[in-house]
Amino acid sequence: DADVTQTPRNRITKTGKRIMLECSQTKGHDRMYWYRQDPGLGLRLIYYSFDVKDINKGEISDGYSVSRQAQAKFSLSLESAIPNQTALYFCATSVPSGGTETQYFGPGTRLLVL
Amino acid sequence: AQTVTQSQPEMSVQEAETVTLSCTYDTSENNYYLFWYKQPPSRQMILVIRQEAYKQQNATENRFSVNFQKAAKSFSLKISDSQLGDTAMYFCAFMRVNAGNMLTFGGGTRLMVKP
Repeated sequence: DADVTQTPRNRITKTGKRIMLECSQTKGHDRMYWYRQDPGLGLRLIYYSFDVKDINKGEISDGYSVSRQAQAKFSLSLESAIPNQTALYFCATSVPSGGTETQYFGPGTRLLVL
Repeated sequence: AQTVTQSQPEMSVQEAETVTLSCTYDTSENNYYLFWYKQPPSRQMILVIRQEAYKQQNATENRFSVNFQKAAKSFSLKISDSQLGDTAMYFCAFMRVNAGNMLTFGGGTRLMVKP
């Protein structure tokens, strides 16, 4: 869905390096999420934000930080990358509507930490 | 904590036939949503269908339908008239309402549609 974009789409980095993954959305949604997917597994939540001033830890936040620069932008940082952070990273957005809520995902960023 | 289990790691189906993917979940909540997402080789996570727990009627979206059994905590996905483009990983997901609205995913089922 082109409404949610992620950059870069692929990234190779070395252990100890700091990297940032970026997410932008044109859907006008207040809520944004970062997930991680490991091979053969479902997605797990890293961080989420319900608005610019709201940041919350998810299930697996250790080793990660986030920044919500604007309603449309939500960045994920690995302060000192390690090999077990090699994974596929997804950004998602959502807005409550009519008593329900659906999350819409970006195309993913594949990260390899050597 | 919620858990979501997909007991079928891989399945296959002939083109034009019907296939059902299983999902069970464990929760003490009464108000929640359930989802099926599709992940084709492109890696994109695509919403297939959504079910609100307070609705008794099973959700349907074209060739996709669910069998939601709340008491049994079961949420299976039926794909009718399977097409080659349905080949993908399918993930069942649970969302507890008003608790961060986080999605808890199952481990996925890899579906192969054969010509």
